[in-house]
Amino acid sequence: EDKVVQSPLSLVVHEGDTVTLNCSYEVTNFRSLLWYKQEKKAPTFLFMLTSSGIEKKSGRLSSILDKKELFSILNITATQTGDSAVYLCAVLHTDSWGKLQFGAGTQVVVTP
Amino acid sequence: DGGITQSPKYLFRKEGQNVTLSCEQNLNHDAMYWYRQDPGQGLRLIYYSQIVNDFQKGDIAEGYSVSREKKESFPLTVTSAQKNPTAFYLCASSIGGYGTGGQAFFGQGTRLTVV
Repeated sequence: EDKVVQSPLSLVVHEGDTVTLNCSYEVTNFRSLLWYKQEKKAPTFLFMLTSSGIEKKSGRLSSILDKKELFSILNITATQTGDSAVYLCAVLHTDSWGKLQFGAGTQVVVTP
Repeated sequence: DGGITQSPKYLFRKEGQNVTLSCEQNLNHDAMYWYRQDPGQGLRLIYYSQIVNDFQKGDIAEGYSVSREKKESFPLTVTSAQKNPTAFYLCASSIGGYGTGGQAFFGQGTRLTVV
């Protein structure tokens, strides 16, 4: 059975800390892995990773994929209270026509 | 503005009643999806549609029905057969198609409560 597992399920950090979120997967016909940020309602797209070992960056956020060990990490440096959200990892299958399989998410709380 | 719109934002339903959630997009996307989100479980796929007049069951389709009569619209009906319908429902769309990438755009969601 295909599965996407995120860890930790939740964490609390202080502003300025660095956060590392993990996403491991066991899926057949893997195409890409995506990260989303969900603050209140609609998840917003962060990254899509298809190739192993190539880091993607956007400001203080970065992510990398390891297709050999079947995991991805999302890093947030110099965290701010605005980074508080649920971070969702999702896998896209090659035969899925865009259908995403999501992990349970990691709840991040950044305290002042 | 281009986007994906869900309505209503909040919905209350009595047990035994069917209810329909609306989802409209003006992004010219072929593919549309319905997900359900429960606390601690992430998003689970209910139904998806790759093209007009065609749709497929996702992982938790029992008790739900959909239609795709227009490219822009993908309404979801929660029927009385759904045993535990109270949840947050998210609609999404993407360009779709093999090899075109998988970035999905989400609506703001509908929170359904059965009373």
